[in-house]
Amino acid sequence: AQSVTQLDSHVSVSEGTPVLLRCNYSSSYSPSLFWYVQHPNKGLQLLLKYTSAATLVKGINGFEAEFKKSETSFHLTKPSAHMSDAAEYFCVVSEVLSGGGADGLTFGKGTHLIIQP
Amino acid sequence: NAGVTQTPKFQVLKTGQSMTLQCAQDMNHNSMYWYRQDPGMGLRLIYYSASEGTTDKGEVPNGYNVSRLNKREFSLRLESAAPSQTSVYFCASRGMSGGGAYEQYFGPGTRLTVT
Repeated sequence: AQSVTQLDSHVSVSEGTPVLLRCNYSSSYSPSLFWYVQHPNKGLQLLLKYTSAATLVKGINGFEAEFKKSETSFHLTKPSAHMSDAAEYFCVVSEVLSGGGADGLTFGKGTHLIIQP
Repeated sequence: NAGVTQTPKFQVLKTGQSMTLQCAQDMNHNSMYWYRQDPGMGLRLIYYSASEGTTDKGEVPNGYNVSRLNKREFSLRLESAAPSQTSVYFCASRGMSGGGAYEQYFGPGTRLTVT
């Protein structure tokens, strides 16, 4: 079974400073990895995804993540935080389900990003 | 193109009552999913449907049933609601996006409280 560990439950940064949200995964084969964002009382929005095409993945709103197989990590970064980035972030690994033809997502427990003015 | 829609947005039930959460997608996706979200737990898969006519259990299926009514619609039923089923429920569908990768698209969620 695959698993995802988000290393920080809360991260607080000042506006304009870099953001780093850490994620480690375990997988028995080459995984598909995702970062989703959830703003308060909203649904989930895909930030970016890794599917083996390139190890550095660029997403929306200036976020990017680097897949490091040797470290089994997929950390999310942004050079300069904005107040609108305050949200819950989920690192997610995709696995093929036994029913065939469908992928199940295994979610990390989330990192709450706080932006200080 | 509405994407994934869910009804209702909010619901309060008493213990033992039943209800059905509705989900529909207009993206012609084959696979659909139901997740629940609890504080500090991320999202957990309840049931999924790889294609029309098939359904399978996920990580936390107890207390739930599902129906894949047609390609567009996938409903989740609570036969006898319990307080432990208080949660936010998300429906998702899976399709191809840019770069040839599959991703799941989520609905806005249903916030359910069982008293």
